[in-house]
Amino acid sequence: DAGVIQSPRHEVTEMGQEVTLRCKPISGHDYLFWYRQTMMRGLELLIYFNNNVPIDDSGMPEDRFSAKMPNASFSTLKIQPSEPRDSAVYFCASTDSEGYSGNQPQHFGDGTRLSIL
Amino acid sequence: AQKVTQAQTEISVVEKEDVTLDCVYETRDTTYYLFWYKQPPSGELVFLIRRNSFDEQNEISGRYSWNFQKSTSSFNFTITASQVVDSAVYFCALANDYKLSFGAGTTVTVRA
Repeated sequence: DAGVIQSPRHEVTEMGQEVTLRCKPISGHDYLFWYRQTMMRGLELLIYFNNNVPIDDSGMPEDRFSAKMPNASFSTLKIQPSEPRDSAVYFCASTDSEGYSGNQPQHFGDGTRLSIL
Repeated sequence: AQKVTQAQTEISVVEKEDVTLDCVYETRDTTYYLFWYKQPPSGELVFLIRRNSFDEQNEISGRYSWNFQKSTSSFNFTITASQVVDSAVYFCALANDYKLSFGAGTTVTVRA
C-alpha cells in the first residue's frame, strides 16, 4: 500500500516568494495533519482536517500560512510571503477514525525540507 | 494541557548494549494514547507502538520493549542488544482527540 506522499522533497526559494507544499494521504484515511519540525521548537502540529474540513488550525503560526484540502486525496500548505524563519521540515500525516478518537497511529510522509534564503 | 518530557537528549552506546529511553507525560484526560516514533537519519517518521491509558500491559516486539506505568506517568522504551541500525531520534508522543503532542526526542547513537 502506498504511504503518505509529499512533494516536493526539497524546496529552496528566496524570501518573499510563495511556497506550496503538497500532500496525498493514505487512501481511506479521513484525518490529515500538517506538522513542522525545527531544532528550536521540535515537532509541532500546525493544522488538521477531518473529512476535508479544517478542525483545528490553532498551530498555524500566522496569516502567511494557509492550508486547504479540496478533496479526500489532496492537501496543500501554502506560505505567502515566505520568510527565512519558515525554514523547517514540514510533515504531512494521515490516520483513520476507527476506534476512539486519537487511537489510531498517524502515518507520516517523508517530509518536505524547506529552505528560505 | 498535555506535555511529554524526554529528559535524555542524547544517548551513545556500543553495539549489543541495552538502551532505555525515558518518557514522562502530563495530561488531565482519563483516556489518552501514547506512541513511540523513530526518525532515522534519512528523516522519515516511523510509527513503532501505540498504548492506550487503560492497558498497562508491557509489550515486547523483537528487541524492542515498552514499560507503561500509569502511576508514574511514564512510558519507557528499551532496545535490547542494540545495533547500528537503531541509531535514530526516538520520539514519545501523547494523543487525545487526534492531537499529537511530541516530546523533544532522544538521539540514540549506536557505535560499532
